Amino acid sequence: QKEVEQDPGPLSVPEGAIVSLNCTYSNSAFQYFMWYRQYSRKGPELLMYTYSSGNKEDGRFTAQVDKSSKYISLFIRDSQPSDSATYLCAMSSYNQGGKLIFGQGTELSVKP
Amino acid sequence: DGGITQSPKYLFRKEGQNVTLSCEQNLNHDAMYWYRQDPGQGLRLIYYSQIVNDFQKGDIAEGYSVSREKKESFPLTVTSAQKNPTAFYLCASSIGGRGGSNEQFFGPGTRLTVL
Repeated sequence: QKEVEQDPGPLSVPEGAIVSLNCTYSNSAFQYFMWYRQYSRKGPELLMYTYSSGNKEDGRFTAQVDKSSKYISLFIRDSQPSDSATYLCAMSSYNQGGKLIFGQGTELSVKP
Repeated sequence: DGGITQSPKYLFRKEGQNVTLSCEQNLNHDAMYWYRQDPGQGLRLIYYSQIVNDFQKGDIAEGYSVSREKKESFPLTVTSAQKNPTAFYLCASSIGGRGGSNEQFFGPGTRLTVL
């Protein structure tokens, strides 16, 4: 079993839809959680960063962490064609030496 | 502007050749990382360095080598021993330290193709 599991998709939604992207993990020591967005043939860019449990909102994006269920989510409201990309979750623990463990990424397509 | 640069953007290699991928950062970050990305497999860690003159193997280090002689630079050599080197290579950096925030910032990547 992988430490971090992410549905690879692809996920296709109409413009304006609410998108939910999810990751599950097995290591209860994880406490730093990130979401990256990667456009085709580009490097990933950090989208959201959350420490421990709770919600964080930034514009149309909301990140949720549920440590009791070992489950994290990224919600995109009013999705736009420009949101079409691969979304990667990543996480780490305090004593991991700075290493991140990545999910395999979910490919999202937002159709106009 | 602060950031991470990788060169070249595209690289073609003949079988049996070693090639070196460049990664430079001006973010004053202590830690640097090399990942390999294949379709449908996410990012796999090749090597990482938490401080100058020190580096550790990641999950798939075989067939690769690195050096960290300067804080700003972390070149990756793909040797002829790497059996399947065609992939997208990504360099990243973070503030560093054994604890605390581990946000990593990525360069634009190098696409390596073996002919």
